[in-house]
Amino acid sequence: GQQVMQIPQYQHVQEGEDFTTYCNSSTTLSNIQWYKQRPGGHPVFLIQLVKSGEVKKQKRLTFQFGEAKKNSSLHITATQTTDVGTYFCAGYEGSQGNLIFGKGTKLSVKP
Amino acid sequence: DAGVTQSPTHLIKTRGQQVTLRCSPKSGHDTVSWYQQALGQGPQFIFQYYEEEERQRGNFPDRFSGHQFPNYSSELNVNALLLGDSALYLCASSRRNWNPYEQYFGPGTRLTVT
Repeated sequence: GQQVMQIPQYQHVQEGEDFTTYCNSSTTLSNIQWYKQRPGGHPVFLIQLVKSGEVKKQKRLTFQFGEAKKNSSLHITATQTTDVGTYFCAGYEGSQGNLIFGKGTKLSVKP
Repeated sequence: DAGVTQSPTHLIKTRGQQVTLRCSPKSGHDTVSWYQQALGQGPQFIFQYYEEEERQRGNFPDRFSGHQFPNYSSELNVNALLLGDSALYLCASSRRNWNPYEQYFGPGTRLTVT
């Protein structure tokens, strides 16, 4: 079945440094979604990418979808303590429903 | 407008027992998906309900079953609990055929099996 892998598993940065997490799928994805889960919280939808090579920005966050639609990345510029949490990428297997999550990248930010 | 709600928040059960978890979707949503999230892992898809029927199922045994009611709320039942069933159970609601097909997650039910 489809597998979604994320690296790194953990990332510790100083406040103000940049952060990037990478996501790779074993199969071509129809779209990819990114979620953020704060410590003790639940996943919150950030964005969906659909088109090959798509790049979307949300303030300090930049999301990319690979040309082959098998990989994606999330880049945060100048991290803040509010960015702390685990970032998950997720892709759909088949039609809407079976969302396959990566294991996530846990980001900690030192003030 | 209330988001996705789940009950109970926490639950402690003994191995072999049965448990029922409940979920009310976000207003306007008609589809409910259930996920199991073990500590330090990403959520794993259990199944999805739409129009009161199970539409898709992940790699979980038949001990895991569910139901969706006419008001779109849903229940997750787990029989013959195992220690390995200890996890955060997340309910997510969505609106069928809506783009982007984002899922709104509830706060989860923390199940501990002893």
